Amino acid sequence: QKEVEQDPGPLSVPEGAIVSLNCTYSNSAFQYFMWYRQYSRKGPELLMYTYSSGNKEDGRFTAQVDKSSKYISLFIRDSQPSDSATYLCAMRGNTGNQFYFGTGTSLTVIP
Amino acid sequence: KAGVTQTPRYLIKTRGQQVTLSCSPISGHRSVSWYQQTPGQGLQFLFEYFSETQRNKGNFPGRFSGRQFSNSRSEMNVSTLELGDSALYLCASSPGPSSTEAFFGQGTRLTVV
Repeated sequence: QKEVEQDPGPLSVPEGAIVSLNCTYSNSAFQYFMWYRQYSRKGPELLMYTYSSGNKEDGRFTAQVDKSSKYISLFIRDSQPSDSATYLCAMRGNTGNQFYFGTGTSLTVIP
Repeated sequence: KAGVTQTPRYLIKTRGQQVTLSCSPISGHRSVSWYQQTPGQGLQFLFEYFSETQRNKGNFPGRFSGRQFSNSRSEMNVSTLELGDSALYLCASSPGPSSTEAFFGQGTRLTVV
């Protein structure tokens, strides 16, 4: 079993829709949770990070962490065609820079 | 402020050869991590360097090695290439040894034929 599981999709939504992306994990030592966006032929770009449980909002993006369920989510409001990309969740423990990634969810926002 | 620079962007090598990839982190960042990205496995951690010392290593064979120089630039080397080594190799730059943020370069696309 992989330490981080993420539904690969693909996910296709109309412009303006609310998108929900999710990951589950098995390692209770994970404390830092990140979401990255990766466009085709580009490196991953950090969107948001959250420490421990709770919510964090940044513009149209909201990240949620539920450590009791080992479940994290990223919500995108008012989705735009420019949001079309692969979204990767990542997490790590309290120390070090070894990140554990999900395999990514491919999102297409249709104009 | 310049981002993470990886060279070369694309490489084609033959089975059995070796390859060296380079990564220049963001100015002031002292931690460099390497990841292998493949369609089936996603991003998998190779190793992490901080202040020229390897701090952590992923579950890859000894054919994969790396180093970091005093200016924080890093190289990774893969010897005796196999077809399965074909992947996007990504370098991540972080300010210190336990950072909440990792900034990735565009990667080096390695194809082994």
